[in-house]
Amino acid sequence: SQQGEEDPQALSIQEGENATMNCSYKTSINNLQWYRQNSGRGLVHLILIRSNEREKHSGRLRVTLDTSKKSSSLLITASRAADTASYFCATDPGGKLIFGQGTELSVKP
Amino acid sequence: NAGVTQTPKFQVLKTGQSMTLQCAQDMNHNSMYWYRQDPGMGLRLIYYSASEGTTDKGEVPNGYNVSRLNKREFSLRLESAAPSQTSVYFCASSAPGRPAPGYTFGSGTRLTVV
Repeated sequence: SQQGEEDPQALSIQEGENATMNCSYKTSINNLQWYRQNSGRGLVHLILIRSNEREKHSGRLRVTLDTSKKSSSLLITASRAADTASYFCATDPGGKLIFGQGTELSVKP
Repeated sequence: NAGVTQTPKFQVLKTGQSMTLQCAQDMNHNSMYWYRQDPGMGLRLIYYSASEGTTDKGEVPNGYNVSRLNKREFSLRLESAAPSQTSVYFCASSAPGRPAPGYTFGSGTRLTVV
């Protein structure tokens, strides 16, 4: 069973626009992480937000966490064609990461 | 470069054949993991090793075995491959800590079972 569920499953935007992806999860968490996967490659860790944090920034990335709603969002501002990838949220019930199904982001130049 | 190395990158097996996927990390991480990724399914945890000498089942362990050979190496074995095991396999490692810190992933092994 999947712990995290991303929404939307696919997102297509123009370069320069912002992209927002959402993640919902089922059980209590210690932290929530976001990863990026370029086509045919391994996953790359983007950002980690702890359960006692509400918002975190890293460059053009902004992550929010609402533990009362069991949801998180990832915002990529001023998107670039190089941001085209799949994005996954992951939570750590029991100390090991469980991943959602991912959002496929396509940024058109 | 420091990281997680997986071999082989590609493999085609016939049903019933066996093989071992190799994974090694040079970051002195305690924990290592094997995931499989199927279209539309995200990543699912097969087995993990919290530390050298220990292994535990994940979500989808049936049909697989693992060996934590030493702190650096964590192998995944398919004893009798089945077409349902056609997938992309990823190995990952992480430093110790609670809550779980970020994982470092290998580039994957694409396995096709015919």
